[in-house]
Amino acid sequence: AQTVTQSQPEMSVQEAETVTLSCTYDTSESNYYLFWYKQPPSRQMILVIRQEAYKQQNATENRFSVNFQKAAKSFSLKISDSQLGDTAMYFCAFISYNNNDMRFGAGTRLTVKP
Amino acid sequence: EAQVTQNPRYLITVTGKKLTVTCSQNMNHEYMSWYRQDPGLGLRQIYYSMNVEVTDKGDVPEGYKVSRKEKRNFPLILESPSPNQTSLYFCASRSMLGSYEQYFGPGTRLTVT
Repeated sequence: AQTVTQSQPEMSVQEAETVTLSCTYDTSESNYYLFWYKQPPSRQMILVIRQEAYKQQNATENRFSVNFQKAAKSFSLKISDSQLGDTAMYFCAFISYNNNDMRFGAGTRLTVKP
Repeated sequence: EAQVTQNPRYLITVTGKKLTVTCSQNMNHEYMSWYRQDPGLGLRQIYYSMNVEVTDKGDVPEGYKVSRKEKRNFPLILESPSPNQTSLYFCASRSMLGSYEQYFGPGTRLTVT
């Protein structure tokens, strides 16, 4: 079974600084997607960024980028120029092409300090 | 506006009193699912549906029922709620084609006393 591990329950960063959230996963599948979702205090789940496993190039979305290491099964999220609005819980998620069960990590609570 | 809606957003109930949480999507998605979110555990899938009249168990289906009689609706039924079902519940949907991105509802905070 696929598992997703986020080893940092809580993190904090100063406004305008850069922070990296870690995620590792375990799978025997070759074709899959990885996602980072943001959950602010409103509880809404918001997609931050996604990565297809077959693409070697790391995905980027404005201030958000990933470091995807397929061999190491690692998928970290880097937030540059952190803003107060980035304060949220962040979930790493995995889904394979052959499965209909999206697996989530336990989450990392990020606090951006002024 | 493309969205997934859930009702109610908040519910406090007592042990054993049957309840239904509704979920509806307007994106014509084939796939719909229910998750529960608990501290330190992330989101865990309860049930999912790949199309009308097709449902299957996720990781934590005990104590829950679902039905998919229409493509847009996927209600979650708790026949006899217990305190261990106190949680934050999310409905989600996605297309069976494309990027596998799931669209989430706003969540339902359920408390069973």
